[in-house]
Amino acid sequence: QQQVKQSPQSLIVQKGGISIINCAYENTAFDYFPWYQQFPGKGPALLIAIRPDVSEKKEGRFTISFNKSAKQFSLHIMDSQPGDSATYFCAAPDTGRRALTFGSGTRLQVQP
Amino acid sequence: EAGVAQSPRYKIIEKRQSVAFWCNPISGHATLYWYQQILGQGPKLLIQFQNNGVVDDSQLPKDRFSAERLKGVDSTLKIQPAKLEDSAVYLCASSLVGGLGGELFFGEGSRLTVL
Repeated sequence: QQQVKQSPQSLIVQKGGISIINCAYENTAFDYFPWYQQFPGKGPALLIAIRPDVSEKKEGRFTISFNKSAKQFSLHIMDSQPGDSATYFCAAPDTGRRALTFGSGTRLQVQP
Repeated sequence: EAGVAQSPRYKIIEKRQSVAFWCNPISGHATLYWYQQILGQGPKLLIQFQNNGVVDDSQLPKDRFSAERLKGVDSTLKIQPAKLEDSAVYLCASSLVGGLGGELFFGEGSRLTVL
């Protein structure tokens, strides 16, 4: 069964700063690593995902960096805004269960 | 396009009582998931359906939890009898296709409090 370790648990950054969240996973036979964003009272929503035939994917202010040899990937939020304040979950494939295993989440607070 | 609908949004019950949650996925989505999200934790998969067949229910506590997906559309998740540790948000998600590379669309969840 897939195990996903996410850090930090919580993060406070100033407006305009860079937020960095890290994830580590175990072996997988399927390369697909998404990040989900969850606001209070809402369900998680896909933010960005990478299929690592590349080591990095950028969408606007959000970037995923992937290190296959280390089995790690990270989310970078550039120019963080108060509207980015949410909980972020990384996920990795559990090929045995044909489903995603989610990390424990990082609560991001961006101060104005 | 309508999203994933779940009801009820909130439910408070006494331990040993029963509860049922309902989910209506996005139209045309073949795969449906129930996740349990305990406060401060990530979503944990309970059961996955492909159309009306079960793909995986290895983490479903079958002595108290049951789920069904009738006609490959709506789904219900039942807990009977409930325990204190079942207090959580129950999230339903759907995806257009099965497998690991598709986007999951989550509902807003059903928050269960067991007293």
